[in-house]
Order: sequence, then C-alpha cells, then structure tokens
Amino acid sequence: NAGVMQNPRHLVRRRGQEARLRCSPMKGHSHVYWYRQLPEEGLKFMVYLQKENIIDESGMPKERFSAEFPKEGPSILRIQQVVRGDSAAYFCASSPRTGGAGNQPQHFGDGTRLSIL
Amino acid sequence: DQQVKQNSPSLSVQEGRISILNCDYTNSMFDYFLWYKKYPAEGPTFLISISSIKDKNEDGRFTVFLNKSAKHLSLHIVPSQPGDSAVYFCAASNQGGSEKLVFGKGMKLTVNP
Repeated sequence: NAGVMQNPRHLVRRRGQEARLRCSPMKGHSHVYWYRQLPEEGLKFMVYLQKENIIDESGMPKERFSAEFPKEGPSILRIQQVVRGDSAAYFCASSPRTGGAGNQPQHFGDGTRLSIL
Repeated sequence: DQQVKQNSPSLSVQEGRISILNCDYTNSMFDYFLWYKKYPAEGPTFLISISSIKDKNEDGRFTVFLNKSAKHLSLHIVPSQPGDSAVYFCAASNQGGSEKLVFGKGMKLTVNP
C-alpha cells in the first residue's frame, strides 16, 4: 500500500483523552476518505474531504468526531473524549478525482489501530 | 441495512483451481463495483473494478462478472495461488455526489498448496 501514508500505525489512549489520526494521500490525489473497521466487519465510510472542504460527512458520528484536510499538510481525523467503543482500525483512502467515465479506485493506507484502555 | 452482502465468510480451494467469490447488492443506484484484497495488519489493496455499463472485466488471473438484473457480481481467480490467501472485500459506489464506497463484510480465501 505504498503511497497513502497513515500515522501512527498504533495508538493507545485512555478513556476521555483525544486521538489524532493523520493521513497523507498519494501524490497527485486531492480526495481523501476515512473509513472505520470494527472486528469481523467490513469497512464503514465516515467522511470524504477535498482540500479545505468536507464533501460528505454522512458516516461521522454526530459528536466527538471531526475531520479536516487543510491546504497544506495531511488530513486529520480527530476523536475527542474517546470511549471504549472507538477502538477500531481507521483507514484512509485517496483518489485523484471523482466519478464520470473512467472511475478512479480509491487507494488505501495501512490504517491506524486505535485501542482505548 | 447491509447494502452489499458477501454471504460466505470463507472459502478454501486447492492451488491451481478456480476461486469464485460472490457478492450481492441491494441498491440499484450503485454503478461502480470494486474488489479489494486485504492481508492482516495492512490496508485493502485494489484488485479490479467494473462499471455498470459492462458485464465482464478481466485483468490477468482476475475476472469480475456483473449481473445487474440479479444485482450480483462475482470475482473469479484462476489459477489460484497460495499468495492469493487473504480476505476479499466487495465494494460499491454511485457517481452522484459523494464517491463513498459501501463494503461487504469480507470473505476469507485460503488457497492450499
């Protein structure tokens, strides 16, 4: 999965702390997506961003979760006041453009495994 | 509400034989379908995709078939190799608005030498 870089690979937090997950898309990609995978489940869409814009956040929990993709730097998924249920693998994907003829597949990073104590 | 379903959690085949992985979907708005392979502790790796205007797409050992009327697609791997052992995810999206992918729960393929 060279190209989409996520860090940290593993993150341990205590309940009530904040978690920040970072994602640098592949070179030339301006679209970033975040997904969450619970054990024995498929990946669930959370949010879709372009530079400085949130395009679709229909999969984001209403509270404690936020995402950004600034003009400079990586995309950040931020979880405030973490709870045990936030323990999961969080994957970031990027693509060069959306839709139209010649769909472009999303390419994924290796994920951040978040554990809440 | 599982819009993309992979009903078989696992499949075991002999090396050299064909592996057939199935996927069903319920949302008729989906018009782009993808298969990803995933190894433990890694992210999903894109394998092959198909647009709803086609019924077959082939790339080397991998072929994806789409039956729109049945809302069914399948991935054929032939010949199967031990390195193909992984979890395979079917995913779908539509072009209107967001390009979010909807994933199935995955299927673990084991190819025995």
